[in-house]
Amino acid sequence: DTAVSQTPKYLVTQMGNDKSIKCEQNLGHDTMYWYKQDSKKFLKIMFSYNNKELIINETVPNRFSPKSPDKAHLNLHINSLELGDSAVYFCASSQWTDSYEQYFGPGTRLTVT
Amino acid sequence: GIQVEQSPPDLILQEGANSTLRCNFSDSVNNLQWFHQNPWGQLINLFYIPSGTKQNGRLSATTVATERYSLLYISSSQTTDSGVYFCAVEGGYGNNRLAFGKGNQVVVIP
Repeated sequence: DTAVSQTPKYLVTQMGNDKSIKCEQNLGHDTMYWYKQDSKKFLKIMFSYNNKELIINETVPNRFSPKSPDKAHLNLHINSLELGDSAVYFCASSQWTDSYEQYFGPGTRLTVT
Repeated sequence: GIQVEQSPPDLILQEGANSTLRCNFSDSVNNLQWFHQNPWGQLINLFYIPSGTKQNGRLSATTVATERYSLLYISSSQTTDSGVYFCAVEGGYGNNRLAFGKGNQVVVIP
């Protein structure tokens, strides 16, 4: 009964490839997020969706495109992968109102070679 | 945007010791959370604490919102407490954007 799940857990790919990471939450939340953790463990928000609508789009290259087919899913597609995209990507979810507490998935470690 | 500073950046503890981690933030907040990132990389929710005091077992947290800081107390530390502790805040603009501090790296030695 995992609350926020991500697939895959590990992703190793070559420069120039296109890849996707999937996220699903079963908490009944209406808002989902993508965060990036760099090699120094710094976490920064990339995107958030509320009821399938894009709310936050930080200064992320347009090679990154989030897609939310429904409130329970938020996928991240990355085109033309670069070495600098290597990081751990975390999905999270929360309720837009109420307590705002965010719950994080296990992360996807992306390595671009 | 809101700034989050955590101290100390690194901490080595003998098993059984107590410690206090501090998080300072630069503006009023709607949301403040403490997380533990374990050595396997999982981010575990510890506390949702925009104000007040909470306790959960050997851990407790206090946020003094008017003075813009939060403290995380670890008592009787165990080796399983090792990892990075993150403080994250949402700065009241209504967009639920969590801004993270750089973390406190804690190592508990037996």
